[in-house]
Amino acid sequence: NAGVTQTPKFQVLKTGQSMTLQCAQDMNHEYMSWYRQDPGMGLRLIHYSVGAGITDQGEVPNGYNVSRSTTEDFPLRLLSAAPSQTSVYFCASSSGQTLNSPLHFGNGTRLTVT
Amino acid sequence: GENVEQHPSTLSVQEGDSAVIKCTYSDSASNYFPWYKQELGKGPQLIIDIRSNVGEKKDQRIAVTLNKTAKHFSLHITETQPEDSAVYFCAGSLGNQFYFGTGTSLTVIP
Repeated sequence: NAGVTQTPKFQVLKTGQSMTLQCAQDMNHEYMSWYRQDPGMGLRLIHYSVGAGITDQGEVPNGYNVSRSTTEDFPLRLLSAAPSQTSVYFCASSSGQTLNSPLHFGNGTRLTVT
Repeated sequence: GENVEQHPSTLSVQEGDSAVIKCTYSDSASNYFPWYKQELGKGPQLIIDIRSNVGEKKDQRIAVTLNKTAKHFSLHITETQPEDSAVYFCAGSLGNQFYFGTGTSLTVIP
């Protein structure tokens, strides 16, 4: 199993551009989520999904959209990139719909917005 | 939502010594507490976890303790080795969300 795969690994955007961060998992996990990691702030939840067709907002959802059309994929869209969105983004999945089992993380996408 | 606080933010120990990282949480309904290790350029990886019906769990050199009354939990690493150097995160789960501490950068000095 590849686990959680994120692409791209690095991305540079100009302010106002849009892009999609891809996330795929091959563990048949129901729960998927997106976090951003900023220095000194830990991991903050952007959006999550408890199954195909279901998404919900986390702690910092503004400026980001998600959809969950399949169990395997959970893309994160930046509609109009801003410098404040410069961060490292992690996708993570977990078995089941309730969080009593651990998250499995991808290796991240480092995004710079100029 | 939940608030998870983690201390210290940085920790340096001599090889072979023990390291302890402490976390507190605010919502007594939180019931699952994993610990993650993050190496440079990689995603966090689970190293140990504990559920609210357990007070202590051990896996070789790593142990976690949970005090539900005081709402705090701790990571203990014994006989530290240079490869233990990394950033460690605690987390608590509440509802459909995990809440993470701000991380501890552990350096093990050979």
